[in-house]
Amino acid sequence: SQQGEEDPQALSIQEGENATMNCSYKTSINNLQWYRQNSGRGLVHLILIRSNEREKHSGRLRVTLDTSKKSSSLLITASRAADTASYFCATALYSQGGKLIFGQGTELSVKP
Amino acid sequence: SQTIHQWPATLVQPVGSPLSLECTVEGTSNPNLYWYRQAAGRGLQLLFYSVGIGQISSEVPQNLSASRPQDRQFILSSKKLLLSDSGFYLCAWSPERMYGYTFGSGTRLTVV
Repeated sequence: SQQGEEDPQALSIQEGENATMNCSYKTSINNLQWYRQNSGRGLVHLILIRSNEREKHSGRLRVTLDTSKKSSSLLITASRAADTASYFCATALYSQGGKLIFGQGTELSVKP
Repeated sequence: SQTIHQWPATLVQPVGSPLSLECTVEGTSNPNLYWYRQAAGRGLQLLFYSVGIGQISSEVPQNLSASRPQDRQFILSSKKLLLSDSGFYLCAWSPERMYGYTFGSGTRLTVV
């Protein structure tokens, strides 16, 4: 079963602009993670934010988490053509074995 | 450093034929191992996960099975493939529950 729902499903921006992707989930979580997938490839782990954290940064990535609204956002600043990929959020709950449940993803296209 | 190997990269199999996909992890011991399937343009569906040798948890009742004959080896099998088994199969590992996953490069399976 799917836990996270990303919004929008697809996003097209120009190089240099910021890209914001949102994720909503249904149940309690212990952490939320974001992954990137280039076409036809495996997923790459970007960032993990725990349920007691509100914001986390990694390079040009900024992730926020609002557990009261059961939502998270991923912001990519100063986007580059190389950021073109699908982005997935995934949630983990310790009582469910900590396995990751993925959303449907946002397809990001950054035009040079 | 840890690496994950998954093969083959692509596979075309006739309906009713058997399947064996292999995933191995190097550079770590007692990893948590996972098999996911991704339909075209969709999110990932967790199929199986294993926290130790011989310990397999199935998430979705279906035509597939998994085995973990060695600590760092995870095998996905089917006795008779169905058309609906087509998809992109991804193996992943994590050092413990609740950590980020490292994914293999995936196997694109087409059942004809």
